Amino acid sequence: AQSVAQPEDQVKVAEGNPLTVKCTYSVSGNPYLFWYVQYPNRGLQFLLKYITGDNLVKGSYGFEAEFNKSQTSFHLKKPSALVSDSALYFCAVRDEGGNNRLAFGKGNQVVVIP
Amino acid sequence: GAGVSQSPSNKVTEKGKDVELRCDPISGHTALYWYRQSLGQGLEFLIYFQGNSAPDKSGLPSDRFSAERTGGSVSTLTIQRTQQEDSAVYLCASSLALTASTEAFFGQGTRLTVV
Repeated sequence: AQSVAQPEDQVKVAEGNPLTVKCTYSVSGNPYLFWYVQYPNRGLQFLLKYITGDNLVKGSYGFEAEFNKSQTSFHLKKPSALVSDSALYFCAVRDEGGNNRLAFGKGNQVVVIP
Repeated sequence: GAGVSQSPSNKVTEKGKDVELRCDPISGHTALYWYRQSLGQGLEFLIYFQGNSAPDKSGLPSDRFSAERTGGSVSTLTIQRTQQEDSAVYLCASSLALTASTEAFFGQGTRLTVV
């Protein structure tokens, strides 16, 4: 069954510094990978996804993510973090050859310090 | 509406009572998911509906939980004889499940508190 690991509970960065949120995955076939963001008392908002093609995927709000098949990783990045990026970030995976279940990691709390 | 709509947004219930949570997916979306979000636990998959296929119920934590989807649109998640450990945010999502590459869109959730 597909699964996702987000090893850090919290990521703290200073405003203007690069932000990285880590994600590794496990699937039996080819992965479809997604990042979502959740602001306080809100539902999850889609940020970006990797399906095939370029390993570097660009998404909303200046975020991007790099797919690395050999390391089974899909880390989320932003070159210059904003205070407004403070939120909970979830990585998710579907298995191309499996069921359509979307498996999520436990989430990472990002805190951007002014 | 344009997005996934869930109601109620908040629900407080007494232990032992039954509750029903409603989800209106985006029009035309054939796939519908229910997840449970508990503090520090991430998103726990509960159930998945895809068109007229039999739902994937493998994530339901006990037989007190059930869900149905009428007419391929609105879904109701029912929790019978609620327990305090059922307190969580229940999230619904829908997608155009034509392929596994399609992203899901989430509602704002129902915060359930069992007292």
